Amino acid sequence: GIQVEQSPPDLILQEGANSTLRCNFSDSVNNLQWFHQNPWGQLINLFYIPSGTKQNGRLSATTVATERYSLLYISSSQTTDSGVYFCAVAPQTGANNLFFGTGTRLTVIP
Amino acid sequence: NAGVMQNPRHLVRRRGQEARLRCSPMKGHSHVYWYRQLPEEGLKFMVYLQKENIIDESGMPKERFSAEFPKEGPSILRIQQVVRGDSAAYFCASSPDRGLWNTIYFGEGSWLTVV
Repeated sequence: GIQVEQSPPDLILQEGANSTLRCNFSDSVNNLQWFHQNPWGQLINLFYIPSGTKQNGRLSATTVATERYSLLYISSSQTTDSGVYFCAVAPQTGANNLFFGTGTRLTVIP
Repeated sequence: NAGVMQNPRHLVRRRGQEARLRCSPMKGHSHVYWYRQLPEEGLKFMVYLQKENIIDESGMPKERFSAEFPKEGPSILRIQQVVRGDSAAYFCASSPDRGLWNTIYFGEGSWLTVV
């Protein structure tokens, strides 16, 4: 199946700092989503972004499908941003499921 | 408009017992997906079902695991004779149709601990 790699695996930030999370994938996709798993385990869908750029408050995401990567930007980080950020993709052909990366664990300290 | 409902949220089973995890999809959704998240790992696909049909079970272990989505009632993931390695979070997701990824929603997960 398609390979999804995320970097960095761990990130510690001071509150107020900015960060960029990266997701690389090994094949053409017709879907890419970013999820946030909070410390209580809940999965929150942040962006559906198979291509282009989207912004939602302090978060924005960019996917360059032709180069097989996506970036998630977090600006002015807050402690509530802590958790694990997952990138998930669906291959272009015959996908019945999403393939998840191994995640980036973000810890924001006050 | 309730989201995807999973229960129980936490389940403890002794080795050799059975675990049953339930998932009620969002209203209007007839497609259900089960994923497993082992500690410190990402989510891995297990099975994709529509009402009364298993569409893709390529991620299901060959033994002890089964899933169903009956005409009435929730989808059920059943694990027989649980072992310690089955300890994980099990997430259910639903969508109104196949491939509509922008309309997929995840439940809050069921955490299984095998002691």
